Amino acid sequence: KNQVEQSPQSLIILEGKNCTLQCNYTVSPFSNLRWYKQDTGRGPVSLTIMTFSENTKSNGRYTATLDADTKQSSLHITASQLSDSASYICVVSAGAGSYQLTFGKGTKLSVIP
Amino acid sequence: GAVVSQHPSWVICKSGTSVKIECRSLDFQATTMFWYRQFPKQSLMLMATSNEGSKATYEQGVEKDKFLINHASLTLSTLTVTSAHPEDSSFYICSASGGPYNEQFFGPGTRLTVL
Repeated sequence: KNQVEQSPQSLIILEGKNCTLQCNYTVSPFSNLRWYKQDTGRGPVSLTIMTFSENTKSNGRYTATLDADTKQSSLHITASQLSDSASYICVVSAGAGSYQLTFGKGTKLSVIP
Repeated sequence: GAVVSQHPSWVICKSGTSVKIECRSLDFQATTMFWYRQFPKQSLMLMATSNEGSKATYEQGVEKDKFLINHASLTLSTLTVTSAHPEDSSFYICSASGGPYNEQFFGPGTRLTVL
C-alpha cells in the first residue's frame, strides 16, 4: 500500500530560526515528490517538485532534498518568518504520467515572534 | 504559475438543499480536474477525477449520485453536492492538471457548512 509519513506532526519555532521537516514514503513506482504549503482555509500551493534523479531543489528560503534510495525527503526552511506558519504537505506521485497522488498528513508549523 | 479558482469560497446551506461549486483553470487548459475533500486536521482525500467531456471516475466510497461532477469544458468543472447533510460539511478543493509533470494546481478551496 502506498503511504507517505511526515514528521513531526507539529512544530513551533521562533521567528528567524531554521527548521527541517521530514517525509518518508513507500510509493511504487515512484514518479515525483512534491512539497506543498497549505495555509489554514486555503488550497495547497506548490513549493517544489522533484523527480527520481534530483537530489535537491530550492525555492527561495525553502530547500527540499530527496534520497530515492532510502525513500526519504526533507524540506528545510531558512530564516523562518511569521508567514511561514502553515501546514506543509509531502505528496508523492506514482508512475510516469500518473495522476495518482499519495498525500502525507502534513506538518503544522507555527512560527512565533 | 498556473492559477485555479474556485467559487464560492464559502457557503452555508440548509440540510436537504443542493450546492454547486465551480472550479476554473484561469490561464491553462486542463483536460483533467480533480475534486478533494479535507476534514479538519486531515489530509486531502481524492473524491473523483474528471476528464473533459466524459463521466467522472469516483473513488471507492464516494457516492456518485450525491456528488455530481460535470466537466463541460477544458477550463471548468463543477461539483454539485445534492441533498446536503451536516456530515457533508467539509473543505472541498479542486485541482487541475497541466505542465510537463502533469502537476496538479490546486484551487483555494470552498468551505461548505450544512446546517
